[in-house]
This record gives sequence, C-alpha cells and structure tokens, in this order.
Amino acid sequence: QSVLTQPPSASGTPGQRVSISCSGSISNIGNNFVYWYHHLPGTAPKLLIYRNSQRPSGVPDRFSGSKSGTSASLAISGLRSDDEADYYCAVWDSSLTNWVFGGGTKLTVL
Amino acid sequence: EVQLLESGGDLVQPGGSLRLSCAASGFTFSNHAMCWVRQAPGKGLEWVSSITADGRHAYYADSVRGRFTISRDSSWNILYLEMSSLRADDTALYYCAKEYNSGWSFGGQGTLVTVSS
Repeated sequence: QSVLTQPPSASGTPGQRVSISCSGSISNIGNNFVYWYHHLPGTAPKLLIYRNSQRPSGVPDRFSGSKSGTSASLAISGLRSDDEADYYCAVWDSSLTNWVFGGGTKLTVL
Repeated sequence: EVQLLESGGDLVQPGGSLRLSCAASGFTFSNHAMCWVRQAPGKGLEWVSSITADGRHAYYADSVRGRFTISRDSSWNILYLEMSSLRADDTALYYCAKEYNSGWSFGGQGTLVTVSS
C-alpha cells in the first residue's frame, strides 16, 4: 500500500483529455515537488513532468502537471494510442526520509 | 546523450548476495545524486536507495535497509548496489537513475534479479 494514492486505471478515446490524480499528505506532496513518469514494463521510465508542472525538453505540451495542497494531477490532452502505458507520480517524503512512488495508473486508449 | 547501463542481475538463491552496477556516461557523474528503483513482477515502481553526488550520504527504503549498500566510483562513473541476504521479494527489474531537477531521470533497460531456489 503506497503512501501516494493513484487510481489503478484510466481510459479515454483518441483526441480526448484525461487526468490522473495522485493523493498524498503534508509530508510528501504538501511540501515537496511532484514528478510524473510514463512507463512501459521492461523499458526505462520516462520523466514527463518535474517540479510539479515543468516539462523536460522533448516532452510534448499535451502533457501537463499541477499540484494543489496534498494532491497532484497529470493531464494528457489530444490522447493518442501510443499514450497507452503505466503512469506514476513520485515525491520525496520528508517524514519517511525516502522517495515514494504512487501505485501507478494503467492508461488505456479505447 | 545521457546513458545509464545497468548490469549484474542474475538468478541467486535466497540468502545469497549480488552486486549490481550502473555505468554512466554523457554527463558529469560526480555532480549528480544517483538512485536505484525496482519493479517486481506485476507490481509498481519502488524506490530502493539513493546516494548524494559526493557519496557521503545514502538513503534506503525500509525493505532493504541493513541488507543493501549503495556506493559510487566517480573515477569510473559507476554506481553500485551491493545486495545481501536476498529474499524472494527482492526479485525485480532494477533500474538506476540520475538526479534531474531534484527528481530522477532514467536511461537504461534495467537488470533482472531473480531470487529463487
């Protein structure tokens, strides 16, 4: 059971906008930066969002991140079939003094 | 181009030991903290351990503290994970990552550790 809660699944049709939530507490999301990753098992996780809402170079602006209080969200607009993957949030937990990942959300493009 | 190449994964018996390596290139290794993250079969990503850029401070998940040791060699640009007293639940694909804007950026395909008799 992760200290960060994500919905296990999400879905959308091509072109739609979907949002994935990540809920935590004051010791993690409430006081630290949130990071989002795209992951296909067996391959390197890809950083999509850093420091709550910043995109690394090369990540399309279809991906956006936000944070409010002890929750964060990843939004994907203009959904594409190749967006099908697992998505994880990650954050430093100041109380545990370790990094924590959310349980992951499997995105299906219908 | 940043490259991270994990190696050292193997089949090992419960209670055994293993050393993982991560060869880094394409960036100034000594300027970045590094970490290990794993994914057990059918499970999500789990942070395992991280080490500061100067190698002076290390952090561990509760599940591995006292059994795993992270270290780095900035002469050879290699990150290590010494694993001992291995258990079945350590079976996973292990990834290394470099610090990026206070978070982590991955680059390799991982190395598989299987703990089984």
